[in-house]
Amino acid sequence: AQTVTQSQPEMSVQEAETVTLSCTYDTSESDYYLFWYKQPPSRQMILVIRQEAYKQQNATENRFSVNFQKAAKSFSLKISDSQLGDAAMYFCASQGGSEKLVFGKGTKLTVNP
Amino acid sequence: DTGVSQDPRHKITKRGQNVTFRCDPISEHNRLYWYRQTLGQGPEFLTYFQNEAQLEKSRLLSDRFSAERPKGSFSTLEIQRTEQGDSAMYLCASTRGGGDTQYFGPGTRLTVL
Repeated sequence: AQTVTQSQPEMSVQEAETVTLSCTYDTSESDYYLFWYKQPPSRQMILVIRQEAYKQQNATENRFSVNFQKAAKSFSLKISDSQLGDAAMYFCASQGGSEKLVFGKGTKLTVNP
Repeated sequence: DTGVSQDPRHKITKRGQNVTFRCDPISEHNRLYWYRQTLGQGPEFLTYFQNEAQLEKSRLLSDRFSAERPKGSFSTLEIQRTEQGDSAMYLCASTRGGGDTQYFGPGTRLTVL
């Protein structure tokens, strides 16, 4: 069974600063994918970034990047130059051969002006 | 690409009533997923379809829950004899295939009184 753990229920960051959200996972699969999704208040979940486990290079998408440590089963998200619009719940998720996404409990990010 | 749509967006019902939700996936996506999200938690997998075939069901999906995807297009999720514990956000997602990103709809928020 896959599990995903997000140990930070809430985080805050000043506008224009950098913040890192933590995620650890456990899986017995050899081939899997990892995701960070963002869920703004009362709005739908959208993909932030995606990482294939077989790729050693860390994924990046503009201001968003990950630190993927496969041996440690760690998958943290770094948000650079934080903006007010980044405020949301962030969910880490894994997907193995069973196709379903397994989510963590989420981290609520507040961006202070 | 009009995105994943769900209907209704909100549903309030009395305990014991039956409710049905609809999900329309992105048109070229042949896989469709249902998740349930309770307050303060990450989404939990319920079931998924490849075309019209229901390939996996979570044990969360009690016998009061049924899902269909006739003709491999839209899907419906029915809950019979609703209970207060069924109150949650029901999310639908679709994707082209295994390992591809799942795109989420806005969800249906169910409140059982």
